[in-house]
Amino acid sequence: AQKVTQAQTEISVVEKEDVTLDCVYETRDTTYYLFWYKQPPSGELVFLIRRNSFDEQNEISGRYSWNFQKSTSSFNFTITASQVVDSAVYFCALSEFTGNQFYFGTGTSLTVIP
Amino acid sequence: EAQVTQNPRYLITVTGKKLTVTCSQNMNHEYMSWYRQDPGLGLRQIYYSMNVEVTDKGDVPEGYKVSRKEKRNFPLILESPSPNQTSLYFCASSGQTGGEQFFGPGTRLTVL
Repeated sequence: AQKVTQAQTEISVVEKEDVTLDCVYETRDTTYYLFWYKQPPSGELVFLIRRNSFDEQNEISGRYSWNFQKSTSSFNFTITASQVVDSAVYFCALSEFTGNQFYFGTGTSLTVIP
Repeated sequence: EAQVTQNPRYLITVTGKKLTVTCSQNMNHEYMSWYRQDPGLGLRQIYYSMNVEVTDKGDVPEGYKVSRKEKRNFPLILESPSPNQTSLYFCASSGQTGGEQFFGPGTRLTVL
């Protein structure tokens, strides 16, 4: 079974719209870490955020915000007032305290139309 | 500059011809990892290493080998490449388990 599910394969929005990228994870560990990475068309992987399982506070960084809900095993990512530069593939990932492996979702390709 | 480097960046080879993709980091990180990225499958972990001489299989280790003789280097070895190993490969390092991973620029491998 997938440890990290990103059900949205592709999303298109018009510039300045808000968009939320969904991420659902599965783990039996009580200690784990969640991540979001951005992969722009140039191909590199850019770290966006890391959360540990004990910190459910939502986080805001500029136009980006993250909503972590353990009750629904979700770690969703919202971009407010989207811009063309936000066009990229976004990956959600999970690292469990036991096992030391890293699991990525299949990614959501976001296109922001000017 | 803190970075993860991979070489080569692009490689076209033929089935069965052994190859090595090098990975090096200058951040003194203990944790290093290899991933392959395929369309529709995201990134999948091939092997990872917690420290020198300590390596473990990820989700897709078949057909790959790794070694960790020095802390900074973590080469990926394909002893007999096959066309289904055509992929984009990323090396990554992290200062701690569960920590932010720093990724290399990627190596695009084509096996004919």
